[in-house]
Amino acid sequence: EPEVTQTPSHQVTQMGQEVILRCVPISNHLYFYWYRQILGQKVEFLVSFYNNEISEKSEIFDDQFSVERPDGSNFTLKIRSTKLEDSAMYFCASRPTGSSYNEQFFGPGTRLTVL
Amino acid sequence: RKEVEQDPGPFNVPEGATVAFNCTYSNSASQSFFWYRQDCRKEPKLLMSVYSSGNEDGRFTAQLNRASQYISLLIRDSKLSDSATYLCVVNGNDYKLSFGAGTTVTVRA
Repeated sequence: EPEVTQTPSHQVTQMGQEVILRCVPISNHLYFYWYRQILGQKVEFLVSFYNNEISEKSEIFDDQFSVERPDGSNFTLKIRSTKLEDSAMYFCASRPTGSSYNEQFFGPGTRLTVL
Repeated sequence: RKEVEQDPGPFNVPEGATVAFNCTYSNSASQSFFWYRQDCRKEPKLLMSVYSSGNEDGRFTAQLNRASQYISLLIRDSKLSDSATYLCVVNGNDYKLSFGAGTTVTVRA
């Protein structure tokens, strides 16, 4: 069964450093998403991406964040200058085309720790 | 008011028991409804979509009440492997999913 994959599984970085989180969505999906989950809190939407552009973004997704689909398979989330409060699990998700019900399938996540 | 509210539990039940819990959502324009399960420090996994007429998937039954804006999940004949956090998830006429904080279920032997 096809899956969303994410790398790395765990990233430790110093405050102020740039990080890039990588995702490979399921191959025939065209809608991509990033969510985050701070430890002990609920899953929060960050951004949705379709047809090579952002469809919607949340208040969390400020100028420090960007997304890119650099090739036909990868979907990346960049945080330009990390803060302590960016420490969280970051989940990538993708949605099948032709689905009117918007089921989204999640990758295993990247645990980001900012020191 | 939170977009999606759930009873956090925990619900601690013996194997074989039936457990049920609800969530409420604030956006009356919400169009799609789901239950996801999340194991500790893992990704949310789609358990089932929730349809207007209610639906069943094996031991799991989901109901949707649009008038009262609540969704329920019932688990029959609980197994140890059902121990998890169950996330109520909705989306409106947009692209994002809104998650509840989750209901923790622990099934004991």
